[in-house]
Amino acid sequence: QSALTQPPSASGSPGQSVTISCTGTSSDVGGYKSVSWYQQHPGKAPKLMIYEVSKRPSGVPDRFSGSKSGNTASLTVSGLQAEDEADYYCISYVGSNNYVFGTGTKVTVL
Amino acid sequence: QVQLVQSGAEVKKPGASVKVSCKASGYTFTGYQIHWVRQAPGQGLEWVGRIDPNSGGTDYALKFRDRVTMTRDWTLSTVYMEVSRLRSDDTAIYYCARKSYEAFEYWGQGTLVIVSS
Repeated sequence: QSALTQPPSASGSPGQSVTISCTGTSSDVGGYKSVSWYQQHPGKAPKLMIYEVSKRPSGVPDRFSGSKSGNTASLTVSGLQAEDEADYYCISYVGSNNYVFGTGTKVTVL
Repeated sequence: QVQLVQSGAEVKKPGASVKVSCKASGYTFTGYQIHWVRQAPGQGLEWVGRIDPNSGGTDYALKFRDRVTMTRDWTLSTVYMEVSRLRSDDTAIYYCARKSYEAFEYWGQGTLVIVSS
């Protein structure tokens, strides 16, 4: 199972929006609603930001939103803040109790 | 509160085995799957596998199926991941994470495993 494809980097100025894509196939992203997104700051464990494509856990700001179209899922961060600068990873269920992560995207707040 | 506390860092020689533990607290141990994820230095996240603490059932990513074994101890509310025949490219931080809904909601602090001769 190959890693899902994410852009290596994305950036925006404070207050702007940035959208990160996560592209797979009909056997993973396109075939299931089990796509989630994680934020990881350097030296820290990942933190769940979005689950089941578009649901937000309690405590996650509503600036973070998720969506999916076909074989591509997306994470949008609106109203960028300095603390949003981090690495972001998607993961999808691929069947048979297996999962695959995306390649990761480094978000820079300019 | 939910906590996953992992064992400490390990240094192993190539060909050896390592067993990392993940002790759960703050919830019903048998109610949630535990997944393992690793991250090599400067690299992305990689899903390793999962264990159902209730049944003991396991599933592993294809590349790990012949070298990784996950087990659990109900009495200690602890899950274990053993990696055998270690190679230098197994050097990574290994995380355990509890699956809730279809996501990894709670994470351990990570265990650094260094494989070096």
